[in-house]
Amino acid sequence: AQSVTQLGSHVSVSEGALVLLRCNYSSSVPPYLFWYVQYPNQGLQLLLKYTSAATLVKGINGFEAEFKKSETSFHLTKPSAHMSDAAEYFCAVSSPAGGSNYKLTFGKGTLLTVNP
Amino acid sequence: DAGVIQSPRHEVTEMGQEVTLRCKPISGHNSLFWYRQTMMRGLELLIYFNNNVPIDDSGMPEDRFSAKMPNASFSTLKIQPSEPRDSAVYFCASKPGSGNTIYFGEGSWLTVV
Repeated sequence: AQSVTQLGSHVSVSEGALVLLRCNYSSSVPPYLFWYVQYPNQGLQLLLKYTSAATLVKGINGFEAEFKKSETSFHLTKPSAHMSDAAEYFCAVSSPAGGSNYKLTFGKGTLLTVNP
Repeated sequence: DAGVIQSPRHEVTEMGQEVTLRCKPISGHNSLFWYRQTMMRGLELLIYFNNNVPIDDSGMPEDRFSAKMPNASFSTLKIQPSEPRDSAVYFCASKPGSGNTIYFGEGSWLTVV
């Protein structure tokens, strides 16, 4: 079984401030982990992914995430928030990693608000 | 490259009517997924196909929901009869066989009144 918990359904930051969105996972096998972003009235776009290579993963738009096995975490960060970062962010885990029996389980999402 | 294409983008229908949502995956992708998104339940996997064969349909809510994939380039999700609680955004997504990234369509916004 696999699951994802995103701490905080809503995070509000000021423009230029650090963004930290928290994600903890549970998986019975080594996981692949993903962050997706959803802008209003749009589909989900991949921000970044961890697939058992480097534990610090860099994605698009200045975002990065660090896989910490000991903490079962995959938090998403960005040093300086921009107004255009306002969106909903989803953490997801896959199990098993690859193969034909493959599916992605999503967290509930975190809505990021950026204040001017 | 064309992404995952879904139709209709928006549909408003009356309770009891049949609803058919359509999806064209990215060419060459051999896995296809149907997700439902609601405020209360978030993103739920309804069903997924691998090489046109349904692998896991445990997320399909009830018998009113059915999904088909007659060929590698087309899938449908049907709700019959529809109910107001089916109102949601339905996403189709696809994945290449050798990859681990799932690509989403823009979604079909369904409102059942």
